[in-house]
Amino acid sequence: DAKTTQPTSMDCAEGRAANLPCNHSTISGNEYVYWYRQIHSQGPQYIIHGLKNNETNEMASLIITEDRKSSTLILPHATLRDTAVYYCIVNLQTGANNLFFGTGTRLTVIP
Amino acid sequence: ETGVTQSPTHLIKTRGQQVTLRCSSQSGHNTVSWYQQALGQGPQFIFQYYREEENGRGNFPPRFSGLQFPNYSSELNVNALELDDSALYLCASSFRAGVTDTQYFGPGTRLTVL
Repeated sequence: DAKTTQPTSMDCAEGRAANLPCNHSTISGNEYVYWYRQIHSQGPQYIIHGLKNNETNEMASLIITEDRKSSTLILPHATLRDTAVYYCIVNLQTGANNLFFGTGTRLTVIP
Repeated sequence: ETGVTQSPTHLIKTRGQQVTLRCSSQSGHNTVSWYQQALGQGPQFIFQYYREEENGRGNFPPRFSGLQFPNYSSELNVNALELDDSALYLCASSFRAGVTDTQYFGPGTRLTVL
């Protein structure tokens, strides 16, 4: 059962910020928001996760709304290598087993 | 630190055969999860092993089975292969510590069933 809703596809110009939205209106209080990406035929790559506060790492920033019903993954300066399918997943962090990937957003970075 | 590795990279089998896929978890990780990804779909959870015991299973039939070894590496076995079993099989490892349980994926094994 899908817990997140993402646009099917998005384009972004190289060098610009890519903002990928995700709706998770049924998220519960102890569920985290995870982002992974998958470049064609490779294994999914972990990007970032968060609970309530905004998070930033060397790859991306994660902005979570105050009501936690939606979030945005930001790639600050998209490159051609960021072209991939991006998955937003809500999951219990402790004791969790399965990640439900859904269909994700296909991001194409355009030169 | 070594990441998650899987073998073989590619595999071709015929319907009715059996297959074993292998996964070595990332150093320090004690949990392994397996996923099946059909073409054009997101990965689907098969099962997870934690300290050599199955710890959760997705909607897959019993002919999908697994093992985890004392060194935390794992095998996925599929019996009586069907054409629909053709997919990318992904292994992910994590460290269950009650705080951080992020799963890190290997490159996958591409299985083709003819």
